Amino acid sequence: AQKVTQAQTEISVVEKEDVTLDCVYETRDTTYYLFWYKQPPSGELVFLIRRNSFDEQNEISGRYSWNFQKSTSSFNFTITASQVVDSAVYFCALLNAGNNRKLIWGLGTSLAVNP
Amino acid sequence: DTEVTQTPKHLVMGMTNKKSLKCEQHMGHRAMYWYKQKAKKPPELMFVYSYEKLSINESVPSRFSPECPNSSLLNLHLHALQPEDSALYLCASSPWTAANTGELFFGEGSRLTVL
Repeated sequence: AQKVTQAQTEISVVEKEDVTLDCVYETRDTTYYLFWYKQPPSGELVFLIRRNSFDEQNEISGRYSWNFQKSTSSFNFTITASQVVDSAVYFCALLNAGNNRKLIWGLGTSLAVNP
Repeated sequence: DTEVTQTPKHLVMGMTNKKSLKCEQHMGHRAMYWYKQKAKKPPELMFVYSYEKLSINESVPSRFSPECPNSSLLNLHLHALQPEDSALYLCASSPWTAANTGELFFGEGSRLTVL
């Protein structure tokens, strides 16, 4: 079975705080892809990152960083020095490399960054 | 600004009405998608078009009828909808076929209310 769990439903922080969004996945496939998407109040889902199962290197993009650990089946997302514009719902998703290439989505984490 | 444009942004319709949602992209992508998203839930895949042919139908009721007139346009025709069909309908595109790596470009969605 494939599953993505985002245990944090809602997080509220004050601006400039660091915040980590957790994502734990389950899959029996050896080749798979993990994603993070951001959905601001405007509704549009914005692709943030893709990581394949063979690449465990951590990624940093500005204030965003991602920690992929196969040993714990986790793909966590950290925002450093959060800003009000980071307020959004963040979804983690899994895609296997088999015939059914359908994104499996987590339930999302709603992040509120308060001034 | 999103490169996937959806119209209308808001639509209210009665259960006997016929309406259409439209989606347009000019990124040269050959895969286009319709997703349905209820409040506080992740998006649910409805249809995938690959090279203008329907490649995935996630057992969507026939009151939803997709159409892909050309590689840039995707329509969703609505007829005899139910109040529970009220949701945000998201269009997305990707550079590859339906066997893609999950990197999707989304529009801002059409918020549908069925009375």
